[in-house]
Amino acid sequence: AIQMTQSPSSLSASVGDRVAITCRASQDMRNHLAWYQQKPGKAPSLLIHAASSLQSGVPSRFSGSGSGTDFTLTISSLQPEDFATYFCLQDYDYPRTFGQGTKLEIK
Amino acid sequence: EAQVVESGGGLVKPGGSLRLSCAASGFTFRNYDLKWVRQAPGKGLEWVSSITSSGSIYYADSVKGRFTISRDNAKTSLYLQMNSLRAEDTAVYYCARETYYHDSGSFPPVWGQGTQVTVSS
Repeated sequence: AIQMTQSPSSLSASVGDRVAITCRASQDMRNHLAWYQQKPGKAPSLLIHAASSLQSGVPSRFSGSGSGTDFTLTISSLQPEDFATYFCLQDYDYPRTFGQGTKLEIK
Repeated sequence: EAQVVESGGGLVKPGGSLRLSCAASGFTFRNYDLKWVRQAPGKGLEWVSSITSSGSIYYADSVKGRFTISRDNAKTSLYLQMNSLRAEDTAVYYCARETYYHDSGSFPPVWGQGTQVTVSS
């Protein structure tokens, strides 16, 4: 199984900050990675698919990069509604595996 | 607009059974791989099972032998038959369409809002 190592597990930041969350895969998975945002009690919301494709309707301050084994989700200027949990998901192989999640909190 | 909607969750006793359904619309259902993902209270997301467009099936070790995934392309529906349920199966279950990768790009995944399954006596 592909192991996904996501970091950091938690992050404290201020409105307007630029933040980056990374996922590292245990093997090459090309660009087969998605990033999601989840708020308490809600379903996951797709931000990025195929490593760098911004989902329709998602603000352009979100961006994804990387391929192979190293991937990054960047939020260019944090807004109050961005404080949530973020996780990555690989869809290259079975079993599908998730990153452990990053809880983004207000400083 | 592509969407998937889960149903069939509820309260069931340990050892009992439940069948989840996922109704899809807005896309060519037969062309897509599909999956079930769950999230236990206060926990992260866990992949449960997948079925490809060609009918290949995969299960997480935690549900193998107890859960059965199936699809009906004519009804554009995905199912999860859950038998021998345990307390640790308590979770919100999400149905999702997988990313479709093609030569010039990809079509994004689509997730439902989830259905609650509670296993308790």
